[in-house]
Amino acid sequence: ELTQPPSLTVSPGQTVSVTCSGDELENKFVCWYQQKPGQSPVLVIYQDSERPSGIPERFSGSISGNTATLTISGTQAVDEADYYCQAWHSTFVVFGGGTKLTVL
Amino acid sequence: QLQESGPGLVRPSETLSLTCSVSGDSITDTSYYWGWIRQPPGKGLEWLGSLLYGGITYYNPSLRSRLSISVDASRTHFSLRLTSVTAADTSIYYCARHKIFGVDSYFDPWGQGTLVTVSS
Repeated sequence: ELTQPPSLTVSPGQTVSVTCSGDELENKFVCWYQQKPGQSPVLVIYQDSERPSGIPERFSGSISGNTATLTISGTQAVDEADYYCQAWHSTFVVFGGGTKLTVL
Repeated sequence: QLQESGPGLVRPSETLSLTCSVSGDSITDTSYYWGWIRQPPGKGLEWLGSLLYGGITYYNPSLRSRLSISVDASRTHFSLRLTSVTAADTSIYYCARHKIFGVDSYFDPWGQGTLVTVSS
């Protein structure tokens, strides 16, 4: 099980961190998806901290112990979305419950 | 690109069948798995299963008894079959390319998703 805060609010231009906690995460890679209303999820971070091509540099990832963190620096209105973490547990995929990020 | 297709309405107790069309990529490329994920309206993501061409298929343990994922003979589509559906299976169903390497795993890209409603 991966635990995320259900919701977060951030002001435009500020930095926000979305956390994802779970057992043995320190021994796994975590990835993050962004999902805007009515759209499919988009991969924004993989292997804990790698950004796919086309993802803005303001998105970064890190991990410390059993908590992974997605950080958005200089948050923009377009970053308002649901964010999901995901990990692989040997034979099955686990998603976090998702965090609704409001930019206000 | 990936594109899901299938009926938008399925009766309770019947079988849900969906197909994912893969273009610009090859299902036979064993560098990737091919997976299905669903999302009940307004809720979070649930992984269903992922298949490696000519190899292993991983399933969500909670759905294993009702779920089957396979590659079509054309090898340009892969399919999902979920038997004995109930209203709880009403979801948007996504297909996606799935990278699994050691402890690394991620889905990219995703299809646009297709809404399947289970109702009489």
